[in-house]
Amino acid sequence: GQQLNQSPQSMFIQEGEDVSMNCTSSSIFNTWLWYKQDPGEGPVLLIALYKAGELTSNGRLTAQFGITRKDSFLNISASIPSDVGIYFCAGQSGGTSYGKLTFGQGTILTVHP
Amino acid sequence: NAGVTQTPKFQVLKTGQSMTLQCAQDMNHNSMYWYRQDPGMGLRLIYYSASEGTTDKGEVPNGYNVSRLNKREFSLRLESAAPSQTSVYFCASEEGNYNEQFFGPGTRLTVL
Repeated sequence: GQQLNQSPQSMFIQEGEDVSMNCTSSSIFNTWLWYKQDPGEGPVLLIALYKAGELTSNGRLTAQFGITRKDSFLNISASIPSDVGIYFCAGQSGGTSYGKLTFGQGTILTVHP
Repeated sequence: NAGVTQTPKFQVLKTGQSMTLQCAQDMNHNSMYWYRQDPGMGLRLIYYSASEGTTDKGEVPNGYNVSRLNKREFSLRLESAAPSQTSVYFCASEEGNYNEQFFGPGTRLTVL
């Protein structure tokens, strides 16, 4: 099946630093989504991207849909302790896969005060 | 709105026992999904229901069955639990066209 490679697997940063993570795929996706999961909770949608080249912001978060449609990145600026959690990318390829998402392995973010 | 709710929150089973995980959504969404989450593997799709009355297999359907009871409810059944099914199970729902899936809080299942 399709696979998404998400990197880095984990990050340890100081409060106030900027963070960048990305996802790459060998297949084309029509939609990219970024989720955050807090401990003991389900993933929560942060940003959705629907068009190649699209750059979207949500507060301190910025995500881009790669021009090749095979990658996406998420940036977090001026990190704060509540940014701690696991961040997942997810892609949807359309066609017979309509509605079905493929998830990356996740990036575990730790923010030191 | 409660969003997506799941019961139970935690469950311990012995090998061979059966159980049903319940999921309900109050957002009038057409599509519903069941995922499992294992360490280092992200979320993997078990089964999904694109609309009421339809269900389809996902990436890892073996050992599971599902029922889309009505538009609100989508249950996942383990007929004969195995230790390999120890995982965290998430239900999600989606309006239908935008792939913005909303997740429940999860069920943490341990099979001994």
